[in-house]
Amino acid sequence: DGGITQSPKYLFRKEGQNVTLSCEQNLNHDAMYWYRQDPGQGLRLIYYSQIVNDFQKGDIAEGYSVSREKKESFPLTVTSAQKNPTAFYLCASSIVVSTPPGEAFFGQGTRLTVV
Amino acid sequence: QKEVEQNSGPLSVPEGAIASLNCTYSDRVSQSFFWYRQYSGKSPELIMSIYSNGDKEDGRFTAQLNKASQYVSLLIRDSQPSDSATYLCAVTISYNNNDMRFGAGTRLTVKP
Repeated sequence: DGGITQSPKYLFRKEGQNVTLSCEQNLNHDAMYWYRQDPGQGLRLIYYSQIVNDFQKGDIAEGYSVSREKKESFPLTVTSAQKNPTAFYLCASSIVVSTPPGEAFFGQGTRLTVV
Repeated sequence: QKEVEQNSGPLSVPEGAIASLNCTYSDRVSQSFFWYRQYSGKSPELIMSIYSNGDKEDGRFTAQLNKASQYVSLLIRDSQPSDSATYLCAVTISYNNNDMRFGAGTRLTVKP
């Protein structure tokens, strides 16, 4: 099955801990994204990557880090510097080489809770 | 000004009625526009995409785009209780083809 897989589905973090959220896609998409969603709110862009070994900050990158060593994978690390990390995290991917730009497809999300 | 704005709702319509969802965007040269549906606790799923002015129909859904007014809408005909969800408007920002920004979403309730 082609798609985007996020893991884990639920994640609990202690204060001061770093945690890493996994995102893997087998759609052969070039671009990948991480969004954060808080209750009753829309999606806010954390980071995005259009090509391997390159990524750009979104609107709320502080306290987060990413890597893009492989086309299929775009893990997100929530560091201890992120003071309010409890949220629903969504990974998405899209084709880069399309005019006009194409739609993004989402994984099932990871719900992160600080305990 | 937010890049993508939607009325948060909730919007309530009776079963069988037309639901009208609206979205405005600030970047005048945005190229691509999308409507996503999100059920509570789930990830967004694509409903419609539209790239040029006018209407685009797909089953019970019609997307309308007016670039001069920087306005995009979604009409749902013959609304069903299963259409009850939050609808997210998304726009690609012109200076980066794949930098997609979302509105806060409109919560729709279809009452039987």
